[in-house]
Amino acid sequence: DAKTTQPPSMDCAEGRAANLPCNHSTISGNEYVYWYRQIHSQGPQYIIHGLKNNETNEMASLIITEDRKSSTLILPHATLRDTAVYYCIVRVGNSGGFKTIFGAGTRLFVKA
Amino acid sequence: GAVVSQHPSWVICKSGTSVKIECRSLDFQATTMFWYRQFPKQSLMLMATSNEGSKATYEQGVEKDKFLINHASLTLSTLTVTSAHPEDSSFYICSARGPRGDEQFFGPGTRLTVL
Repeated sequence: DAKTTQPPSMDCAEGRAANLPCNHSTISGNEYVYWYRQIHSQGPQYIIHGLKNNETNEMASLIITEDRKSSTLILPHATLRDTAVYYCIVRVGNSGGFKTIFGAGTRLFVKA
Repeated sequence: GAVVSQHPSWVICKSGTSVKIECRSLDFQATTMFWYRQFPKQSLMLMATSNEGSKATYEQGVEKDKFLINHASLTLSTLTVTSAHPEDSSFYICSARGPRGDEQFFGPGTRLTVL
């Protein structure tokens, strides 16, 4: 599976948009970009995923560059409860052999 | 949405004893489940992939005789840490592949402390 690179930590003011970048320069054509987050001492929570088009759901937006070598997760109005570690993962989608490998992630601190 | 539960949520045991952790998919059937381990301030590390009715596939460096995985039904996988030692103390998280095939739902985790 392709590997990802994320900044180790970021700060964001409450109410502002949090933009979390991810580099995945070796992504394959059939690999999706997935984002999960993990709040302290809990299991990871799915946020969003995409292949090549931008995606939006009730939690976040995902912007994928045209060459698919990087992406940005956007939390439009960050709250204190969004403080967590955010993981960007690339993997194949509907495949019998997929497994999700976590990198180090980005620790997002939302400050009042 | 799909829910994955784990039991117990935390456990403390003495060194040398065995501990069983259960992972259940509550409202869907999961032919594939995954087990992860997470040490403090570190990321999740995949330990093994569990397929219903067959042997688990372990990641490199994970001792299969120490971490016994059983996936006997479509809604239950168990991880047994045999002869636990303090270095096995960790946060164990399971996840289940969802019915659509491309989803993965995570349990809340089990914190194991070995004294």
